[in-house]
Amino acid sequence: EAQVTQNPRYLITVTGKKLTVTCSQNMNHEYMSWYRQDPGLGLRQIYYSMNVEVTDKGDVPEGYKVSRKEKRNFPLILESPSPNQTSLYFCASSRLGLYEKLFFGSGTQLSVL
Amino acid sequence: QKEVEQNSGPLSVPEGAIASLNCTYSDRGSQSFFWYRQYSGKSPELIMFIYSNGDKEDGRFTAQLNKASQYVSLLIRDSQPSDSATYLCAVPSTQGGSEKLVFGKGTKLTVNP
Repeated sequence: EAQVTQNPRYLITVTGKKLTVTCSQNMNHEYMSWYRQDPGLGLRQIYYSMNVEVTDKGDVPEGYKVSRKEKRNFPLILESPSPNQTSLYFCASSRLGLYEKLFFGSGTQLSVL
Repeated sequence: QKEVEQNSGPLSVPEGAIASLNCTYSDRGSQSFFWYRQYSGKSPELIMFIYSNGDKEDGRFTAQLNKASQYVSLLIRDSQPSDSATYLCAVPSTQGGSEKLVFGKGTKLTVNP
């Protein structure tokens, strides 16, 4: 089944404890992206990647890191999480870029205490 | 900052009625437009996209685009309770060489039986 897999689904952590949210797609998509969704603010792009080893900042990259060492994986890293990073996170992918259908993962609800 | 604006709603319609969702965008150079549906607690899924001025129909859904007015809308005919969700308008932006998909904040639709 074609899908974008995110893990974990829920995560509670404490300020400053490094964490990684994994994202993997099995559709051989070139484009992958991370979004955060907050009430009243909608979906905002954190980082995106056009291909392996090619990443760029979205609208809200501060406090986040990404890497794209393999085509299928695009992990989101929070080196030192803070409470303002409490949010619902979505990974998404598309075949070639943002002009095509985005396939979203199931989301990761992160709480930073 | 390229913006995408939607009425936040909530929009409430009776079953069988036409639901009309609206979106305006600021980037006059935008060429393609997407509508995603997001059920509560779920990830967004693409329901319609439109590139050309005019109407595009897919089953009970019609997307309407007016580039001169920078306006795109989604009509849902014969609305069903299963259409109750938040509808997100999304517009690609290539500002400054970066590739970002900008989402509106969404319109929450409730279809009452």
